[in-house]
Amino acid sequence: AQSVTQLGSHVSVSEGALVLLRCNYSSSVPPYLFWYVQYPNQGLQLLLKYTSAATLVKGINGFEAEFKKSETSFHLTKPSAHMSDAAEYFCAVSVSGSEKLVFGKGTKLTVNP
Amino acid sequence: NAGVTQTPKFRILKIGQSMTLQCAQDMNHNYMYWYRQDPGMGLKLIYYSVGAGITDKGEVPNGYNVSRSTTEDFPLRLELAAPSQTSVYFCASSYSRSNQPQHFGDGTRLSIL
Repeated sequence: AQSVTQLGSHVSVSEGALVLLRCNYSSSVPPYLFWYVQYPNQGLQLLLKYTSAATLVKGINGFEAEFKKSETSFHLTKPSAHMSDAAEYFCAVSVSGSEKLVFGKGTKLTVNP
Repeated sequence: NAGVTQTPKFRILKIGQSMTLQCAQDMNHNYMYWYRQDPGMGLKLIYYSVGAGITDKGEVPNGYNVSRSTTEDFPLRLELAAPSQTSVYFCASSYSRSNQPQHFGDGTRLSIL
């Protein structure tokens, strides 16, 4: 069975600083990996996805993530945080043939002025 | 371009009451999902459907029922509301399984008192 661990339930950065949100997955077969963002009182929106093409995946709003098989990681980064990036971020994993996504517990990002 | 529409947005129920959470999508997606989100716990899958007339249990199905009579609609039924069902409920849909992203509604905030 697949699982996802997001390290750090809360991350705080200054505006303009690097954003790094960590995600490690567990899967016995090649995974599909997703990052979603949730703004207050809204549903989840897809930021980016990895589906076995390029290991460096670029998403919306300047975010990107790198798939590292050797480290079983899919960390989310953004070079320069903006106030509008404050939200909760979820990493999720699926595998070929599965109907289901397994979500991590989420990381709440705070951006300080 | 409505996407996934959930109604109602908010509801307060008394213990023992029943209600149906509505979900409709206009993207002709075969796959639909119901999740609950509790603080710090990520999203847990309640039920899912791979097409009209086909439903299956997710991780936390107890106390809930679903039906899927059309491609567009996937209602979630609570028969005997309990305080443990206080949560935010999200409906999602996707074009296919595994490597396709899920599209989420804005959620229904449900309180059982």
